[in-house]
Amino acid sequence: EVQLVESGGGLVKPGGSLRLSCVASGFTFGSYSMNWVRQAPGKGLEWVSTISVNNKYIYHADSVKGRFTISRDDAQNSLYLQMNSLRAEDTAVYYCARDRTSHSGSPYFDYWGQGTLVTVSS
Amino acid sequence: DIQMTQSPSSLSASVGDRVTITCRASQSIANALNWYQQKPGKAPNLLIYAASNLQSGVPSRFSGSGSGTGFTLTISSLQPEDFATYYCQQSYSTLRTFGQGTKLEIK
Repeated sequence: EVQLVESGGGLVKPGGSLRLSCVASGFTFGSYSMNWVRQAPGKGLEWVSTISVNNKYIYHADSVKGRFTISRDDAQNSLYLQMNSLRAEDTAVYYCARDRTSHSGSPYFDYWGQGTLVTVSS
Repeated sequence: DIQMTQSPSSLSASVGDRVTITCRASQSIANALNWYQQKPGKAPNLLIYAASNLQSGVPSRFSGSGSGTGFTLTISSLQPEDFATYYCQQSYSTLRTFGQGTKLEIK
């Protein structure tokens, strides 16, 4: 059974840093691209970052570029999101999600974790 | 960035109704369009990928269609467990974007 378990959320002051983790099980982690997606309270979903197999490609949303860094440790079956210079508008539930690729080559998020809440407030 | 616009933003319907949600992309995205269902306090759940492919385990009353800039999600006969928020999402661009969501409520 595929499982994704996030951790590391909490309360942090504006300008502070936090590192989120996502531990994967039930599949060969190193064979899949992985993502972070967030959802502010009462709002919609926002894609944050993608990291491909072997770290070949890394993408970040414009809203977090230069502040957040996605990384992975395949030996530990783990995905990370280092978040620096945090702002109030970064307050959200952060989900990790696995990528799968369709026959036509377009990716989609087929499995999601339960999420971890990050609150940025003084 | 590619903008995704869903309509309507909210919808009231009854059990047994046929419901259609529309998603429009700001530029052509071929068939790189996915649909997710989210219930309160839960993670999103994949329904449809690549515009029209039903994810394994998803009931056949859900279907998707479209290509280019216009897409639809149809629920053929609403069940009580279908009342939720639905999101479209494009994966044509490496900077992936979601629609704003459609909240489906019980009439």
